[in-house]
Amino acid sequence: EAGVAQSPRYKIIEKRQSVAFWCNPISGHATLYWYQQILGQGPKLLIQFQNNGVVDDSQLPKDRFSAERLKGVDSTLKIQPAKLEDSAVYLCASSLESGRGRQDTQYFGPGTRLTVL
Amino acid sequence: GIQVEQSPPDLILQEGANSTLRCNFSDSVNNLQWFHQNPWGQLINLFYIPSGTKQNGRLSATTVATERYSLLYISSSQTTDSGVYFCAVERGGYQKVTFGTGTKLQVIP
Repeated sequence: EAGVAQSPRYKIIEKRQSVAFWCNPISGHATLYWYQQILGQGPKLLIQFQNNGVVDDSQLPKDRFSAERLKGVDSTLKIQPAKLEDSAVYLCASSLESGRGRQDTQYFGPGTRLTVL
Repeated sequence: GIQVEQSPPDLILQEGANSTLRCNFSDSVNNLQWFHQNPWGQLINLFYIPSGTKQNGRLSATTVATERYSLLYISSSQTTDSGVYFCAVERGGYQKVTFGTGTKLQVIP
């Protein structure tokens, strides 16, 4: 079974530029998560999709971050414009389903390391 | 929001030693997971353990939900156990996930 795929693996941009990350979850997984992990910290949930609907985006800085999940499969996360403090690893994860007390393991992709200069 | 604190923040072990990692959380949760992040950054789920005790090889975990803590036991540690261990709690109808502060483990030969 193929795992969660992410691209690119590394990205270096200058502040005020825009950047996009792509995630392909495990086939059949209804729930998709985007996390931001700053060096030395635990991952912070940015947005959670159930199929192609958003179920939580309370920690997404909506003035500069956006995410979409078309057709309930692939997802993209965009930052526009980027700030220095956006330097982090962006992790995508997926699970079969979440909600109604179900226990579903999250599978993580390798992450995209973003450096903003 | 919920606070998830882990201790100790850093741990150095000699190969073969045992250790206990702790996760405290500030509010009731629906589920709790333990993850290992290897030195290359890959996060792997170790346990899904909202309550009780589970074992998988040299690792075991115990969650006491009523007292809001969970423990991860590593026995006979190996160098491949090095990395950062995170607990993550889930709350709410769609299981919103909050990760803990992490324990960085280094196992030396």
